[in-house]
Amino acid sequence: GDSVTQMEGPVTLSEEAFLTINCTYTATGYPSLFWYVQYPGEGLQLLLKATKADDKGSNKGFEATYRKETTSFHLEKGSVQVSDSAVYFCALSEAGGSYIPTFGRGTSLIVHP
Amino acid sequence: EAEVAQSPRYKITEKSQAVAFWCDPISGHATLYWYRQILGQGPELLVQFQDESVVDDSQLPKDRFSAERLKGVDSTLKIQPAELGDSAMYLCASSLLTGTNTEAFFGQGTRLTVV
Repeated sequence: GDSVTQMEGPVTLSEEAFLTINCTYTATGYPSLFWYVQYPGEGLQLLLKATKADDKGSNKGFEATYRKETTSFHLEKGSVQVSDSAVYFCALSEAGGSYIPTFGRGTSLIVHP
Repeated sequence: EAEVAQSPRYKITEKSQAVAFWCDPISGHATLYWYRQILGQGPELLVQFQDESVVDDSQLPKDRFSAERLKGVDSTLKIQPAELGDSAMYLCASSLLTGTNTEAFFGQGTRLTVV
């Protein structure tokens, strides 16, 4: 079945540092890929998405590129802020799975001033 | 901006009691999901609806959990009787599922504590 693997956290950075959170996936078909962000005590918010190979999703300075050859969708940001501290989830959905989103375990990001 | 509404935000209940959660999806979204999220983990699907029909409830513990979406709009998830291990965040999400619009939009969740 489909699965998503994310790097273990927490990731701890200083403000203005470069961020990478790795995500790889396994899917039977041709999935759409997503990054969601969750702040403490809140639901998940869609951060960005990509629906086909080589697509780059971007939002609020974050970006991720759909790499079919390496089955990856790594999240990057050039300069993180304290307000980016949250848990980030990589997810996929595909037609063969009734488009049910499948999530990774999440990666906690802590940004210090 | 349209949002998925959930209530209550927080619920504390004693074990063996019944508890219910409500969700109102974004208007026009035919697909509705209920997920359970244990602290420190990713969300796991409990049930998916398409309109009023259940598409997938293979991970729903049917001996104690039930879900309905009678008119194909809002939905209720019930647990009876609640157990200590049911303490978690219960998330509702909805999706349009047309073209490339397959992303799910989540509500703020209901934090359940069973004591």
